[in-house]
Amino acid sequence: NAGVTQTPKFRVLKTGQSMTLLCAQDMNHEYMYWYRQDPGMGLRLIHYSVGEGTTAKGEVPDGYNVSRLKKQNFLLGLESAAPSQTSVYFCASSYSFLGGLAKNIQYFGAGTRLSVL
Amino acid sequence: AQSVSQHNHHVILSEAASLELGCNYSYGGTVNLFWYVQYPGQHLQLLLKYFSGDPLVKGIKGFEAEFIKSKFSFNLRKPSVQWSDTAEYFCAGRNDMRFGAGTRLTVKP
Repeated sequence: NAGVTQTPKFRVLKTGQSMTLLCAQDMNHEYMYWYRQDPGMGLRLIHYSVGEGTTAKGEVPDGYNVSRLKKQNFLLGLESAAPSQTSVYFCASSYSFLGGLAKNIQYFGAGTRLSVL
Repeated sequence: AQSVSQHNHHVILSEAASLELGCNYSYGGTVNLFWYVQYPGQHLQLLLKYFSGDPLVKGIKGFEAEFIKSKFSFNLRKPSVQWSDTAEYFCAGRNDMRFGAGTRLTVKP
C-alpha cells in the first residue's frame, strides 16, 4: 500500500513564484490535512478538508490555498511564495475528524522540503 | 494559545537509561491525546493514543504514556531506551490536531 504520497519531495522557489504541492492517499480516508513543520514550533495545521469539495482553515492559513476536487487528492498552493514559507510540508489523512474512538489517527506522507529564496 | 505543550526541547540519554517526555494539554471537553514519532528522514507515525478508559496506554516499541487528568498531562515513558529511539517526538491533542513543538531525543550508544 502506498498510503499517503506527496510530490514533489524537494523544491526551491524564488520569491514571488507559485507552486502546487500534491498529496494523494489510497486509504479512502475522508479527512485530509496540510501541515508545516518548522524548528522549535512542531507541526502547525495550514488547511484541512473533511470531504471532497470542502476545505477549512487551520492555524496558519495565510498565503496558502487548497483544493479537494477528488477524495483521494488534496492540493496545497502557494500563489506568491515568500521566504517565510520555507519549511517542510506534511500531508496527512484520517478516517474521521470528529467522533469515532479509533478513527482519529492520522497517517502522514514523507514530506516536501521547500526553500524560498 | 497553544493547547498542547512540550517542555523538553532536546533530551540526550545514554542507552539503557529511562525516558520520560512531558506533554501538557490546556483544554477541556473531549480529550484525545496522541504521541507521534519521527525517525530521522522518515515521516511521522503513531506511537500511541488515549481516548478514554485505562489511563496507562501502551504503544509500539515498548513505549507507554500515562494520562493524568488532575495534572493535564500525558507523559511518554520508556524504561530503557535504545540508540534506535533517536528521533523527534510529538504530542498532539484535540480534534483540530494541535501538535506540541516536539522533543528531540538523542540516545548515545
